[in-house]
Amino acid sequence: ETGVTQSPTHLIKTRGQQVTLRCSSQSGHNTVSWYQQALGQGPQFIFQYYREEENGRGNFPPRFSGLQFPNYSSELNVNALELDDSALYLCASSLPESLGGYTFGSGTRLTVV
Amino acid sequence: KQEVTQIPAALSVPEGENLVLNCSFTDSAIYNLQWFRQDPGKGLTSLLLIQSSQREQTSGRLNASLDKSSGRSTLYIAASQPGDSATYLCAVFSSGSARQLTFGSGTQLTVLP
Repeated sequence: ETGVTQSPTHLIKTRGQQVTLRCSSQSGHNTVSWYQQALGQGPQFIFQYYREEENGRGNFPPRFSGLQFPNYSSELNVNALELDDSALYLCASSLPESLGGYTFGSGTRLTVV
Repeated sequence: KQEVTQIPAALSVPEGENLVLNCSFTDSAIYNLQWFRQDPGKGLTSLLLIQSSQREQTSGRLNASLDKSSGRSTLYIAASQPGDSATYLCAVFSSGSARQLTFGSGTQLTVLP
């Protein structure tokens, strides 16, 4: 069974630019969540997608948006990048209600300069 | 609002020691609790998942316990090895949450040869 894959692994962007991060979920998992992890902190929930619709959102502004595709892969888009957006962005896939737990990808390290 | 606390923030032990990492959460209405390992700059690797109806789970040298009523979980690592050096994160999936895992800030473990 394949795990969760994320691309790219590293990215450097300039303040004000836009970025798209990609995630392929684990086989059989139809729910995808995105988390932001700042240095030295635990991951913070951004949002979750189930059946191509947003199914829950954390305390992040609207410039953080996402998509889920019919094959359950997902994108995270961030507009008008700020320096504080520099972080490790983690994608996790799961079954609904997460009774089986979450499987995380290796993350995308975003640096905003 | 669910809050998760991990103590200690950092721990250094000599190789071969048994050790315990602690995790506490404020809202006992959870579906499950999951322990993860994170190597520097990397994604999260799931170690153990405990459903709310369970008291403990074991995998090799790792044993995780859950006391839902008191809002506590422990991760016991037996016969620690230098390869166990990493940050250990616990996360809870709450029944009242907006489909999110709530993480602690982690315990950074260093096992000295």
